[in-house]
Amino acid sequence: AQSVTQLGSHVSVSEGALVLLRCNYSSSVPPYLFWYVQYPNQGLQLLLKYTSAATLVKGINGFEAEFKKSETSFHLTKPSAHMSDAAEYFCAVSGLGGGNKLTFGTGTQLKVEL
Amino acid sequence: EAQVTQNPRYLITVTGKKLTVTCSQNMNHEYMSWYRQDPGLGLRQIYYSMNVEVTDKGDVPEGYKVSRKEKRNFPLILESPSPNQTSLYFCASRVGTRRTDTQYFGPGTRLTVL
Repeated sequence: AQSVTQLGSHVSVSEGALVLLRCNYSSSVPPYLFWYVQYPNQGLQLLLKYTSAATLVKGINGFEAEFKKSETSFHLTKPSAHMSDAAEYFCAVSGLGGGNKLTFGTGTQLKVEL
Repeated sequence: EAQVTQNPRYLITVTGKKLTVTCSQNMNHEYMSWYRQDPGLGLRQIYYSMNVEVTDKGDVPEGYKVSRKEKRNFPLILESPSPNQTSLYFCASRVGTRRTDTQYFGPGTRLTVL
């Protein structure tokens, strides 16, 4: 079975500050992990994904995430937040069953303040 | 433009009145899936399809039906909607069933059942 835990349903940062969104996973098979972003009234857009090629994964819009097997984590970071980063972020793990479905975390709403 | 489209985007209906939400993709993807998104619960898979005429239940299939008669279309049917099906629905598609394949999401359909 697979599951994802996102700590912090709401995170608030100042513009220009570091963004850190936490994701921990549980998987009975080697995990493949994804981060998606959802802007207001839009669908989910892929930010980045880990497919075992490299533990540090760079994505769009300056985001990156590091896979740490020992900590079962895949935290999302961005060095300097921008107002346009305000959105909801979902971590997901691709697992067995459901046609190798994605199992999502409950999401983290990121607020960026001036 | 490669995309997943859903219609309608917004729908208000009454208990028991049958409705269909359409989903179409133009990427020749084999795998399609429906999710519902509820606050604090993330996205949960309703049904999925690995190819034409091949569909199966996800995590929360009760009260829903699907069909896959053509590769590009995957409609979601609520034969007798109830208020607990008020939710935000997303259709997604993926080129195949590999765990590393990226899922592409439609813009969402916000359904309210009175």
